[in-house]
Formats: sequence, structure tokens, C-alpha cells
Amino acid sequence: GNSVTQMEGPVTLSEEAFLTINCTYTATGYPSLFWYVQYPGEGLQLLLKATKADDKGSNKGFEATYRKETTSFHLEKGSVQVSDSAVYFCALGYTGANSKLTFGKGITLSVRP
Amino acid sequence: GAGVSQTPSNKVTEKGKYVELRCDPISGHTALYWYRQSLGQGPEFLIYFQGTGAADDSGLPNDRFFAVRPEGSVSTLKIQRTERGDSAVYLCASSLAGLAGQTQYFGPGTRLLVL
Repeated sequence: GNSVTQMEGPVTLSEEAFLTINCTYTATGYPSLFWYVQYPGEGLQLLLKATKADDKGSNKGFEATYRKETTSFHLEKGSVQVSDSAVYFCALGYTGANSKLTFGKGITLSVRP
Repeated sequence: GAGVSQTPSNKVTEKGKYVELRCDPISGHTALYWYRQSLGQGPEFLIYFQGTGAADDSGLPNDRFFAVRPEGSVSTLKIQRTERGDSAVYLCASSLAGLAGQTQYFGPGTRLLVL
């Protein structure tokens, strides 16, 4: 079956540090890939997505590139802020009848001032 | 506009009791999903509705769990004979149909505690 593997956390960084959060997946066919974020006290919200190989999703300074050859979708940001402290989830999904999302375990990011 | 809403936000019940969790999707969204999130884990899929019908219920863990969406809008997740292992946050999400339907919008969740 489909699965998503995220690097172990938590991750603690100083403000303005570079961020990489690894995500790899196992799936049949051609899924779309997503990063969701959960800020403290809030619900899950979509951060970015990519729908086909070599696509780059970007939002709020975050980027991730859909790499089919390495089955990866690593999340990066050049300079993190305290406000980026949250839990980040990598997920995959398809359109149509099988449109459920398969999530990774999530990773907690804490950014120190 | 209003997002996905879920009620109650918290529910405490005793083992063996019946509970209902409600989800109000974004107006006009035909697809509705239920997920369950245990502590320290990512959300796990339970069931997906397209309109009034359950298009995929493969994630329901057993026959104690049931969900309905009779008018294609509000959905209710029903859990019979609750067990302590059912304690989790139950998330609802909705989306438009078709390609745009890939973006799922999540509600704040219902935190269920079974004592």
C-alpha cells in the first residue's frame, strides 16, 4: 500500500537558519504530493503541493520539489522565523474515487529567537 | 467565508457508550472526508463521501464505526460501544470535486476521550 515516511523529530532551529525536512513516499501510479502544517491551536492547513514529477510547490518561503526518481518531496526554507514553529505533515493523494490522503507521522519544528 | 466546522470540540465519554461527531463542510464542497489522528501520529483516513454516498469506507476500523451524509452536506460520524482505544482527534475535511478537489480543507477536529 501507499505510505509516507518523514524524518524523525523534533527539530529545533535558531531564527534565520536553513530548514530541510525530509519526506519519502511509496506509492503506485502518479500521486500528488502535499505538505500540510498545523500551527499551535489551529487546524491542519495546506502549505504547498505538487501534482506531477519535477513540479515545485512553493508558499510562504517554503519550497518542495516532486522527485520521482528518488520518491521524495523534501521541504526547504532558506531562513526560518519564530512564526514557522508548527507541526509539518507530508502527504500523498490522488484525484477521483481514491482521493484520500495518506499522511506521514509529522514533525515538530521549533524556532528560537 | 466559513471554513469546515466540527462539533463538539471535545467529547468525554465512558467505555461502552455511543457518540456522534458532527462535521459541517465548506458550502458547495461535494467531497467530505473523515480522518482520525492519534497522539504523535499523522491523520489516518476513515471514510470519504462524494455527495451523499460513501465512495470509500476502507479506513473504518470495524463495524462499530459508521458515518452518514444524508443530504450531501453535514456529516455525522457515529461510534458504538466506544473503547479506550478510540480516544483520538477526529478530523473532518472537505473539498471541491475534480482536480481542484485535491486540496482538502480541514476542520479543527473533535477530541474524543474514552474513559
